[in-house]
Amino acid sequence: DAKTTQPNSMESNEEEPVHLPCNHSTISGTDYIHWYRQLPSQGPEYVIHGLTSNVNNRMASLAIAEDRKSSTLILHRATLRDAAVYYCILSSSGYALNFGKGTSLLVTP
Amino acid sequence: NAGVMQNPRHLVRRRGQEARLRCSPVKGHSHVYWYRQLPEEGLKFMVYLQKENIIDESGMPKERFSAEFPKEGPSILRIQQVVRGDSAAYFCASSPEVPRGTDTQYFGPGTRLTVL
Repeated sequence: DAKTTQPNSMESNEEEPVHLPCNHSTISGTDYIHWYRQLPSQGPEYVIHGLTSNVNNRMASLAIAEDRKSSTLILHRATLRDAAVYYCILSSSGYALNFGKGTSLLVTP
Repeated sequence: NAGVMQNPRHLVRRRGQEARLRCSPVKGHSHVYWYRQLPEEGLKFMVYLQKENIIDESGMPKERFSAEFPKEGPSILRIQQVVRGDSAAYFCASSPEVPRGTDTQYFGPGTRLTVL
């Protein structure tokens, strides 16, 4: 699976939108873009995934660039409970997820 | 609606002892995955198992580590003769079907192994 690049950390104020970027310039046509997050001392939690079109669910939105070489996870209103490490992962196999180091999101009141 | 369960949550072993980590997948899930997370790093895939079969163990160290998922009971990750470098958080995940790119994995809370 291709590699992703994310900023090490980001900071947001509570109740403001957060845009978490991810670059994946070597993405292949069969790679799905997955986002997971890991709260402190917990296991990872699925957030959202997509292939080509933008996706929305109750947790977040995923905006995928037209050339698929980058994507952005959007949290519409950050809360303190959204403070976590967010991982952008490409997967065509559906398993053997490569988590990388992710982006550590700090949410301040 | 129980999720993935792992036990113990914390395990302390002395060098040379054996560590056994257990994982009960979501009810009805027959595909289990083990990952290891070293301090300050992301999770690394270790092994993928279906009931009674190892499908992919490409991420497992060649020696001292083994995994099983018997017909009955939890999946077990076994580490023999532990060394300090084995200290890490070990996560188990499960999924209901043969994995494809669209599938979601459901993770347990992890077992934190400390080797003294």
